[in-house]
Amino acid sequence: ILNVEQSPQSLHVQEGDSTNFTCSFPSSNFYALHWYRWETAKSPEALFVMTLNGDEKKKGRISATLNTKEGYSYLYIKGSQPEDSATYLCAFGSNDYKLSFGAGTTVTVRA
Amino acid sequence: DVKVTQSSRYLVKRTGEKVFLECVQDMDHENMFWYRQDPGLGLRLIYFSYDVKMKEKGDIPEGYSVSREKKERFSLILESASTNQTSMYLCASSSGGPTDTQYFGPGTRLTVL
Repeated sequence: ILNVEQSPQSLHVQEGDSTNFTCSFPSSNFYALHWYRWETAKSPEALFVMTLNGDEKKKGRISATLNTKEGYSYLYIKGSQPEDSATYLCAFGSNDYKLSFGAGTTVTVRA
Repeated sequence: DVKVTQSSRYLVKRTGEKVFLECVQDMDHENMFWYRQDPGLGLRLIYFSYDVKMKEKGDIPEGYSVSREKKERFSLILESASTNQTSMYLCASSSGGPTDTQYFGPGTRLTVL
């Protein structure tokens, strides 16, 4: 079982503030790093797939960076809104069909 | 719009019962996966299938089996349900390897009494 860790486990953000959190993963046999957003009562939804060291992806106010050499990725939320409240999962893809998921960071945006 | 559906959102079963969880995808994906999610833990892979009638154990296969008779359908079977199998079960599908997005169903919250 591959060790994928996310920190913090949860955080509370004031509406309008920006925040970021971390995913760390093994630096060997790297193929891809995925980010998913999982809102309550919904299916996890893909945000980004990153495959190259130094990759940066952006979707609206959410962006992510990737460092495969040191084995970490950051997810940033700029100007948090209540609809950003969700659990954010990262998943590490290695040389098979499978993804290894972290436990998630639960973000609560307070109005 | 891609779609993965699961047969039930909520299920309550008794210890010792045989339980079937069904998953159907309409994207013609080769790969299908069953995960369980418990508080404080990541999604843990139970079984996956990379082709019809093909299956491989994931990280926590004990107490579970699977069936994939058709490409679009992947079933998870709890042969004799136990209370420690109370969990959220998620099905996913993907078209290829580790760089391809997995598409998830809405989950089944199973309670075993």
